[in-house]
Amino acid sequence: AQSVTQLGSHVSVSEGALVLLRCNYSSSVPPYLFWYVQYPNQGLQLLLKYTSAATLVKGINGFEAEFKKSETSFHLTKPSAHMSDAAEYFCAVSVFSGGYNKLIFGAGTRLAVHP
Amino acid sequence: EAGVAQSPRYKIIEKRQSVAFWCNPISGHATLYWYQQILGQGPKLLIQFQNNGVVDDSQLPKDRFSAERLKGVDSTLKIQPAKLEDSAVYLCASSFLLAGGRVAGELFFGEGSRLTVL
Repeated sequence: AQSVTQLGSHVSVSEGALVLLRCNYSSSVPPYLFWYVQYPNQGLQLLLKYTSAATLVKGINGFEAEFKKSETSFHLTKPSAHMSDAAEYFCAVSVFSGGYNKLIFGAGTRLAVHP
Repeated sequence: EAGVAQSPRYKIIEKRQSVAFWCNPISGHATLYWYQQILGQGPKLLIQFQNNGVVDDSQLPKDRFSAERLKGVDSTLKIQPAKLEDSAVYLCASSFLLAGGRVAGELFFGEGSRLTVL
Protein backbone atom coordinates (compact mmCIF):
# COMPACT_ATOMS: atom_id res chain seq x y z
CA ALA A 1 0.00 0.00 0.00
CA GLN A 2 1.15 3.50 -0.74
CA SER A 3 2.19 5.69 2.17
CA VAL A 4 4.43 8.61 3.08
CA THR A 5 6.63 9.20 6.11
CA GLN A 6 7.72 12.66 7.14
CA LEU A 7 10.85 12.69 9.26
CA GLY A 8 10.71 15.28 12.01
CA SER A 9 7.42 16.63 13.32
CA HIS A 10 9.06 19.99 14.12
CA VAL A 11 11.82 21.83 12.29
CA SER A 12 13.23 25.18 13.38
CA VAL A 13 15.47 27.36 11.23
CA SER A 14 16.80 30.89 11.31
CA GLU A 15 15.54 33.46 8.84
CA GLY A 16 17.73 33.22 5.73
CA ALA A 17 18.81 29.64 6.42
CA LEU A 18 18.18 26.59 4.26
CA VAL A 19 14.88 24.83 4.75
CA LEU A 20 14.89 21.03 4.36
CA LEU A 21 11.75 19.02 5.10
CA ARG A 22 12.04 15.28 4.59
CA CYS A 23 9.54 12.93 3.00
CA ASN A 24 9.94 9.27 2.07
CA TYR A 25 7.30 7.35 0.20
CA SER A 26 6.29 3.77 -0.23
CA SER A 27 4.67 2.81 -3.50
CA SER A 28 4.55 -0.26 -5.70
CA VAL A 29 3.93 1.85 -8.80
CA PRO A 30 5.39 5.14 -10.00
CA PRO A 31 3.85 7.64 -7.63
CA TYR A 32 2.38 11.07 -7.95
CA LEU A 33 3.73 13.09 -5.01
CA PHE A 34 2.67 16.39 -3.53
CA TRP A 35 3.66 18.94 -0.94
CA TYR A 36 0.93 21.02 0.66
CA VAL A 37 1.26 23.90 3.12
CA GLN A 38 -1.23 24.77 5.85
CA TYR A 39 -1.21 28.15 7.57
CA PRO A 40 -3.01 28.52 10.90
CA ASN A 41 -6.79 28.17 10.64
CA GLN A 42 -6.64 27.66 6.90
CA GLY A 43 -7.03 24.78 4.49
CA LEU A 44 -4.26 23.07 2.56
CA GLN A 45 -2.60 24.87 -0.33
CA LEU A 46 -0.62 23.07 -3.00
CA LEU A 47 3.07 23.96 -3.03
CA LEU A 48 4.21 21.64 -5.79
CA LYS A 49 3.61 18.26 -7.37
CA TYR A 50 5.56 15.49 -9.08
CA THR A 51 3.73 13.62 -11.82
CA SER A 52 6.56 11.65 -13.49
CA ALA A 53 7.92 14.45 -15.63
CA ALA A 54 11.01 16.34 -14.43
CA THR A 55 12.50 14.97 -11.21
CA LEU A 56 13.24 18.46 -9.88
CA VAL A 57 9.99 20.25 -9.30
CA LYS A 58 9.68 23.94 -8.62
CA GLY A 59 6.72 25.27 -6.68
CA ILE A 60 5.38 28.48 -5.28
CA ASN A 61 7.12 30.77 -2.77
CA GLY A 62 10.60 29.59 -3.80
CA PHE A 63 10.15 25.97 -2.74
CA GLU A 64 11.35 23.01 -4.74
CA ALA A 65 11.51 19.25 -4.32
CA GLU A 66 13.51 16.50 -5.95
CA PHE A 67 12.10 13.06 -6.68
CA LYS A 68 14.75 10.39 -6.02
CA LYS A 69 13.52 6.94 -6.92
CA SER A 70 16.63 5.20 -5.61
CA GLU A 71 16.07 6.75 -2.18
CA THR A 72 12.24 6.74 -2.36
CA SER A 73 12.40 10.35 -1.27
CA PHE A 74 10.74 13.63 -2.16
CA HIS A 75 12.35 16.18 0.16
CA LEU A 76 11.21 19.80 0.14
CA THR A 77 13.79 22.58 0.14
CA LYS A 78 14.04 26.34 0.06
CA PRO A 79 17.42 28.10 -0.08
CA SER A 80 16.52 30.95 2.26
CA ALA A 81 13.77 30.83 4.87
CA HIS A 82 11.43 33.75 5.38
CA MET A 83 9.36 34.46 8.45
CA SER A 84 6.21 33.97 6.37
CA ASP A 85 7.23 30.34 5.69
CA ALA A 86 6.27 29.37 9.23
CA ALA A 87 3.45 26.85 8.76
CA GLU A 88 2.73 23.13 8.69
CA TYR A 89 3.85 21.17 5.65
CA PHE A 90 2.35 17.91 4.45
CA CYS A 91 3.75 15.42 2.00
CA ALA A 92 1.18 13.28 0.17
CA VAL A 93 1.08 10.42 -2.32
CA SER A 94 -1.72 9.92 -4.80
CA VAL A 95 -3.31 6.50 -4.80
CA PHE A 96 -5.07 5.43 -7.98
CA SER A 97 -7.55 2.60 -7.76
CA GLY A 98 -10.40 1.59 -10.01
CA GLY A 99 -10.25 4.81 -11.97
CA TYR A 100 -10.33 7.02 -8.90
CA ASN A 101 -7.60 8.76 -6.97
CA LYS A 102 -7.17 9.94 -3.41
CA LEU A 103 -4.34 11.51 -1.46
CA ILE A 104 -2.68 9.79 1.49
CA PHE A 105 -0.98 12.33 3.74
CA GLY A 106 1.99 12.17 6.05
CA ALA A 107 1.73 13.35 9.64
CA GLY A 108 3.11 16.77 8.81
CA THR A 109 6.14 18.86 9.77
CA ARG A 110 5.71 22.13 11.57
CA LEU A 111 8.26 24.68 10.41
CA ALA A 112 9.26 27.49 12.76
CA VAL A 113 11.38 30.39 11.48
CA HIS A 114 13.12 32.58 14.02
CA PRO A 115 14.87 35.91 13.50
CA GLU B 1 -12.57 31.05 -10.04
CA ALA B 2 -14.27 30.46 -6.70
CA GLY B 3 -12.62 27.96 -4.40
CA VAL B 4 -14.10 25.21 -2.26
CA ALA B 5 -16.60 26.69 0.18
CA GLN B 6 -17.26 25.20 3.61
CA SER B 7 -19.52 26.13 6.50
CA PRO B 8 -19.62 26.61 9.36
CA ARG B 9 -15.98 27.49 10.04
CA TYR B 10 -16.30 26.74 13.74
CA LYS B 11 -18.71 24.66 15.77
CA ILE B 12 -18.78 23.79 19.46
CA ILE B 13 -21.17 21.11 20.69
CA GLU B 14 -21.53 18.79 23.63
CA LYS B 15 -20.99 15.06 23.31
CA ARG B 16 -23.97 13.09 22.06
CA GLN B 17 -25.26 16.11 20.13
CA SER B 18 -25.39 16.18 16.34
CA VAL B 19 -23.66 18.46 13.84
CA ALA B 20 -23.65 18.94 10.09
CA PHE B 21 -21.04 20.44 7.79
CA TRP B 22 -21.63 21.71 4.29
CA CYS B 23 -19.28 21.85 1.31
CA ASN B 24 -19.61 23.35 -2.14
CA PRO B 25 -16.78 22.23 -4.46
CA ILE B 26 -15.23 24.11 -7.32
CA SER B 27 -17.64 24.28 -10.23
CA GLY B 28 -17.22 21.35 -12.59
CA HIS B 29 -15.23 19.18 -10.20
CA ALA B 30 -16.68 15.70 -10.32
CA THR B 31 -14.84 14.31 -7.31
CA LEU B 32 -15.44 15.46 -3.74
CA TYR B 33 -13.61 14.34 -0.62
CA TRP B 34 -14.13 14.73 3.12
CA TYR B 35 -11.01 14.50 5.26
CA GLN B 36 -10.71 14.54 9.05
CA GLN B 37 -7.67 16.30 10.52
CA ILE B 38 -7.08 15.70 14.22
CA LEU B 39 -4.71 18.13 15.91
CA GLY B 40 -1.11 17.15 15.28
CA GLN B 41 -1.95 14.64 12.56
CA GLY B 42 -2.22 14.61 8.81
CA PRO B 43 -5.62 14.61 7.11
CA LYS B 44 -7.36 11.25 6.95
CA LEU B 45 -9.84 10.47 4.18
CA LEU B 46 -13.35 9.78 5.44
CA ILE B 47 -15.34 9.53 2.23
CA GLN B 48 -14.95 10.15 -1.50
CA PHE B 49 -17.70 10.88 -4.03
CA GLN B 50 -17.56 10.68 -7.79
CA ASN B 51 -20.50 12.82 -8.93
CA ASN B 52 -23.28 11.64 -6.59
CA GLY B 53 -21.93 8.15 -5.95
CA VAL B 54 -19.68 6.97 -3.12
CA VAL B 55 -16.42 5.41 -4.33
CA ASP B 56 -14.61 5.06 -1.00
CA ASP B 57 -16.01 5.21 2.52
CA SER B 58 -13.79 2.56 4.06
CA GLN B 59 -12.63 4.82 6.91
CA LEU B 60 -15.97 6.46 7.66
CA PRO B 61 -17.34 5.47 11.13
CA LYS B 62 -20.72 4.58 9.74
CA ASP B 63 -22.36 4.11 13.12
CA ARG B 64 -22.18 7.87 13.68
CA PHE B 65 -21.01 9.57 10.49
CA SER B 66 -23.00 9.98 7.29
CA ALA B 67 -22.47 11.98 4.13
CA GLU B 68 -24.41 12.68 1.00
CA ARG B 69 -24.00 14.44 -2.32
CA LEU B 70 -27.48 14.09 -3.71
CA LYS B 71 -27.22 16.18 -6.87
CA GLY B 72 -23.55 15.61 -7.52
CA VAL B 73 -22.61 19.15 -6.51
CA ASP B 74 -22.59 20.20 -2.86
CA SER B 75 -22.25 17.77 0.02
CA THR B 76 -23.17 17.44 3.68
CA LEU B 77 -21.27 15.52 6.36
CA LYS B 78 -23.20 14.68 9.51
CA ILE B 79 -22.10 13.35 12.88
CA GLN B 80 -24.69 11.92 15.23
CA PRO B 81 -24.09 11.39 18.10
CA ALA B 82 -20.75 13.19 18.48
CA LYS B 83 -17.97 11.86 20.70
CA LEU B 84 -15.09 13.71 22.30
CA GLU B 85 -12.66 12.09 19.85
CA ASP B 86 -14.53 13.66 16.92
CA SER B 87 -12.96 17.02 17.78
CA ALA B 88 -11.05 17.85 14.62
CA VAL B 89 -11.00 19.98 11.50
CA TYR B 90 -13.16 18.58 8.72
CA LEU B 91 -11.70 19.42 5.35
CA CYS B 92 -13.57 19.24 2.08
CA ALA B 93 -11.65 18.95 -1.17
CA SER B 94 -12.52 18.56 -4.82
CA SER B 95 -10.77 17.41 -7.95
CA PHE B 96 -11.39 17.30 -11.68
CA LEU B 97 -11.07 14.80 -14.46
CA LEU B 98 -8.48 15.33 -17.18
CA ALA B 99 -9.24 14.95 -20.87
CA GLY B 100 -10.06 11.36 -21.67
CA GLY B 101 -11.52 10.78 -18.24
CA ARG B 102 -8.22 10.36 -16.44
CA VAL B 103 -8.20 11.61 -12.88
CA ALA B 104 -6.03 14.53 -11.93
CA GLY B 105 -3.77 14.03 -8.94
CA GLU B 106 -4.22 17.43 -7.37
CA LEU B 107 -6.90 18.18 -4.77
CA PHE B 108 -8.23 21.64 -3.98
CA PHE B 109 -9.12 22.21 -0.32
CA GLY B 110 -11.56 24.43 1.49
CA GLU B 111 -10.61 26.25 4.70
CA GLY B 112 -12.15 23.56 6.87
CA SER B 113 -14.73 23.33 9.63
CA ARG B 114 -13.30 23.12 13.13
CA LEU B 115 -15.38 20.99 15.50
CA THR B 116 -14.94 21.04 19.25
CA VAL B 117 -16.86 18.42 21.24
CA LEU B 118 -17.13 19.14 24.98
